Amino acid sequence: NAGVTQTPKFQVLKTGQSMTLQCAQDMNHEYMSWYRQDPGMGLRLIHYSVGAGITDQGEVPNGYNVSRSTTEDFPLRLLSAAPSQTSVYFCASSLYQGRGGYTFGSGTRLTVV
Amino acid sequence: AQSVSQHNHHVILSEAASLELGCNYSYGGTVNLFWYVQYPGQHLQLLLKYFSGDPLVKGIKGFEAEFIKSKFSFNLRKPSVQWSDTAEYFCAVNVNNDMRFGAGTRLTVKP
Repeated sequence: NAGVTQTPKFQVLKTGQSMTLQCAQDMNHEYMSWYRQDPGMGLRLIHYSVGAGITDQGEVPNGYNVSRSTTEDFPLRLLSAAPSQTSVYFCASSLYQGRGGYTFGSGTRLTVV
Repeated sequence: AQSVSQHNHHVILSEAASLELGCNYSYGGTVNLFWYVQYPGQHLQLLLKYFSGDPLVKGIKGFEAEFIKSKFSFNLRKPSVQWSDTAEYFCAVNVNNDMRFGAGTRLTVKP
């Protein structure tokens, strides 16, 4: 049972480049979300999804897009990378909406130069 | 939207000392509360959670937390910490699928 798998683990981008962070879970969880973690700020919710075809914005959605075409996958797209998007990104999933503890992926460390 | 405050930024304890980490949230309705731990270089792992019922919740590794509704608090406690408890601890509040995290408290346990 792989849980939540994130790829890549590390990435360096130039300002203005675009890329997609991948997230996949094999636990048949309906709920998935993306967070960014910055020093002294904890985790901030970027986007979340309560099921295939349904997504919504979190606390800091600007500069990011998501889609949920399948239950398993929830990719995060950076449209035009900026240095302010340098962060560690975590994907999380949960079986029960709102009540379940989240299972987190191992994170993607992104640096934008 | 709800917010979460963790007032202790960095706590340093000696082994066997007792631990209490503060967590306060701002939301007037029903909330689901969580504590997560992040060991160095790792992802977050769930320590314990509160949905309803007994306000004293026991989690893994000897941790417990008490929900005090009148104080909007959900403090984490452990009677005797170990060196292996060195980590960052995050309190989180979930309202309608929107999970908000506190800024985290770094715990350093000296052997």
